[in-house]
Amino acid sequence: QKEVEQNSGPLSVPEGAIASLNCTYSDRVSQSFFWYRQYSGKSPELIMSIYSNGDKEDGRFTAQLNKASQYVSLLIRDSQPSDSATYLCAVRLGTNAGKSTFGDGTTLTVKP
Amino acid sequence: DAGITQSPRHKVTETGTPVTLRCHQTENHRYMYWYRQDPGHGLRLIHYSYGVKDTDKGEVSDGYSVSRSKTEDFLLTLESATSSQTSVYFCAIRAGLAANTDTQYFGPGTRLTVL
Repeated sequence: QKEVEQNSGPLSVPEGAIASLNCTYSDRVSQSFFWYRQYSGKSPELIMSIYSNGDKEDGRFTAQLNKASQYVSLLIRDSQPSDSATYLCAVRLGTNAGKSTFGDGTTLTVKP
Repeated sequence: DAGITQSPRHKVTETGTPVTLRCHQTENHRYMYWYRQDPGHGLRLIHYSYGVKDTDKGEVSDGYSVSRSKTEDFLLTLESATSSQTSVYFCAIRAGLAANTDTQYFGPGTRLTVL
């Protein structure tokens, strides 16, 4: 079992719809959770971080964390073609080294 | 971009040759990381550093070594490059060390091809 698993893509949604990206992790002591967006040929860009159970909203993005279920998700409301990218889920243990484990990514395409 | 640069940005080399990639940061961050990314895979940690001359291995460290003689520079060396090391290499820094604020920011990447 991989330490961090993301729903297999690619995921395609029409413009204006809600895109839902999911991630599960195996290590119960994980403390910090991140979503990165990566455009083709570019470096990952942090879009959301979440550290406690519940929802965290930032503009059109909402991250949801459920530590009991070891599940973190990212919702993108009113999806735009510019949201088309690969989304990487990252999980960090509560250690001083700050090492993160990444999922393989889910590729999202938003169709006009 | 958190003041991170990588050099070279692209490199083609031959099997068996040594290769050194450089990561440079301008904001005095203590923690630096080297990842590789291959098609269909997320980022995999190669090595990381938690201070000058303080480094440790990640999950895919075989065939790689690192050095950090100055806070701002973190070097990744492939002692004898192999075709399996063809990849995109990303450097990252850790900013905000408090438990609920720490994040990682990535450099622009180096595309390495080993023929």
